[in-house]
Amino acid sequence: DAGVTQSPTHLIKTRGQQVTLRCSPKSGHDTVSWYQQALGQGPQFIFQYYEEEERQRGNFPDRFSGHQFPNYSSELNVNALLLGDSALYLCASSVRGQGSYGYTFGSGTRLTVV
Amino acid sequence: GQQVMQIPQYQHVQEGEDFTTYCNSSTTLSNIQWYKQRPGGHPVFLIQLVKSGEVKKQKRLTFQFGEAKKNSSLHITATQTTDVGTYFCASNSNSGYALNFGKGTSLLVTP
Repeated sequence: DAGVTQSPTHLIKTRGQQVTLRCSPKSGHDTVSWYQQALGQGPQFIFQYYEEEERQRGNFPDRFSGHQFPNYSSELNVNALLLGDSALYLCASSVRGQGSYGYTFGSGTRLTVV
Repeated sequence: GQQVMQIPQYQHVQEGEDFTTYCNSSTTLSNIQWYKQRPGGHPVFLIQLVKSGEVKKQKRLTFQFGEAKKNSSLHITATQTTDVGTYFCASNSNSGYALNFGKGTSLLVTP
């Protein structure tokens, strides 16, 4: 059990569609970060949410947006899907964002865009 | 962000042999974290190093942070088939929030 829960586990979407991915952080964690992992690559930072605000954003277009709820859970939204958005999307939780004790990752959502 | 490069990209060893993966940066790093990702799995935190020259051990795994805080290594002694997976080094960005990952070293261990 990873402690971080992500849903759905797999998703197939068509180009141009929109998708919403969900994450519940580990108990006691208040910060959620999202990562995109292409096949054979390391995870790439998308953004981090803390206190319901986007605190830092990586090099991703505005098509990628997110939200954090008062219970610390989070959503990642991707609009106008491209084939290149096909990847494993990982949610990582931590305490106050700086991951001094490491980040706890969820099992991810495998998104396939066709 | 603080980019980290990892070598080798792949390593295939016989069970019982040792394994080392290296992580390098052109800039001084605030920290290094190591993660293991099993095939089909998700990254799992192994350890964090923050001090210059720091060495930490976890059973058969030895982690080092260079004196200049620009490189790190993970050494596994006497590999086992359970060590199979991809090992990533990562470092926090200047802000401390983003974690920048290397491309990873994939380890295959044959019995």
